[in-house]
Amino acid sequence: AQSVTQLGSHVSVSEGALVLLRCNYSSSVPPYLFWYVQYPNQGLQLLLKYTSAATLVKGINGFEAEFKKSETSFHLTKPSAHMSDAAEYFCAVSNFGNEKLTFGTGTRLTIIP
Amino acid sequence: EAEVAQSPRYKITEKSQAVAFWCDPISGHATLYWYRQILGQGPELLVQFQDESVVDDSQLPKDRFSAERLKGVDSTLKIQPAELGDSAMYLCASSRRREPKETQYFGPGTRLLVL
Repeated sequence: AQSVTQLGSHVSVSEGALVLLRCNYSSSVPPYLFWYVQYPNQGLQLLLKYTSAATLVKGINGFEAEFKKSETSFHLTKPSAHMSDAAEYFCAVSNFGNEKLTFGTGTRLTIIP
Repeated sequence: EAEVAQSPRYKITEKSQAVAFWCDPISGHATLYWYRQILGQGPELLVQFQDESVVDDSQLPKDRFSAERLKGVDSTLKIQPAELGDSAMYLCASSRRREPKETQYFGPGTRLLVL
């Protein structure tokens, strides 16, 4: 079984401040982890993914995430928030032998001018 | 850049009516997924195809939902009859291969409202 928990359904940060969105996973086998972004009334776009190579993964739009096995976490960060980062962010997990993606409930990011 | 196409983008229907959604995956992508996303939640897999074959439909309410991918390319998801609880965003995604590491590329979705 696999699952994802995203702490904080809503996060607000000031423009230029650090963005930190939390994701913890549960998986009985080594996981593959994904972060997707969704803008209003649109589909999901991949930001980055962890596939057991480097634990620090860099993605698009200045985002990065670090896989920490000891903490079962895959938190998403960006050093300086931009107004265009306002969106819904989803963490998802698959694992060896099961390509089915299991998504978290999402975190809505609001950027304060 | 190739994209997953979906139509219609929006659909309003009355309960007990039939609705159908269409998806055209990225060319060459063998694996196709249909997800349902209820407002405020993450997407949940309804059905997965590998070419024209169903791989996983364990979460598909088969008494009212059906899906097909006859030629292994585009796909149709149907609901008959629609119920109020079916109001949601229906997302189609595709990937090159059926592997856990593969990126799934999502279409823009069809937002369904059942009155």
